Amino acid sequence: SQTIHQWPATLVQPVGSPLSLECTVEGTSNPNLYWYRQAAGRGLQLLFYSVGIGQISSEVPQNLSASRPQDRQFILSSKKLLLSDSGFYLCAWSVLPGILPLHFGNGTRLTVT
Amino acid sequence: AQTVTQSQPEMSVQEAETVTLSCTYDTSENNYYLFWYKQPPSRQMILVIRQEAYKQQNATENRFSVNFQKAAKSFSLKISDSQLGDTAMYFCAFGAGGTSYGKLTFGQGTILTVHP
Repeated sequence: SQTIHQWPATLVQPVGSPLSLECTVEGTSNPNLYWYRQAAGRGLQLLFYSVGIGQISSEVPQNLSASRPQDRQFILSSKKLLLSDSGFYLCAWSVLPGILPLHFGNGTRLTVT
Repeated sequence: AQTVTQSQPEMSVQEAETVTLSCTYDTSENNYYLFWYKQPPSRQMILVIRQEAYKQQNATENRFSVNFQKAAKSFSLKISDSQLGDTAMYFCAFGAGGTSYGKLTFGQGTILTVHP
């Protein structure tokens, strides 16, 4: 069966520091991968999605970037964190383009101080 | 662009009773999917139920069922025989078919509390 791993679970970083969140999927090949962000008490907002290695699409212009160095690995990064980057970040995968639903990881709670 | 609206920020229900969570959406798409996700205090997003827009029959999953009204663009979730473990935030989500690449639009969520 497929599983998705996301780490770290919790992260506290100072403003201006770099960020790297990692997500890996097991048990499937060539998944679509997504990064969502959930601000406090709000719904999820799609940040990035990827349909293959090296293919990244950004939904919202921001201080963050994403990379997909391997088929089942998706990384969310920032060179310099802002206070507004605080939130709950969720990685998700789906099997094929346009095929839903999404399956989510356990999330990373990021606090920028 | 699609929008999803959940008009009930909070709901509460007694254990073993039934509760209905509301969701409306706006889209010009004809081929789409609708979902209810549950987010318990652990924050993990768990798929509760899904509905394909082309299907007229309402989806059911054990104690969970939906009332899908395509013309009214309404997609409510009914939870029967509520259990304490149903306490969570519930999100309604919309996903267009075709080449949408699984991009979901989420509502703001409804916090459901089940009381013993």
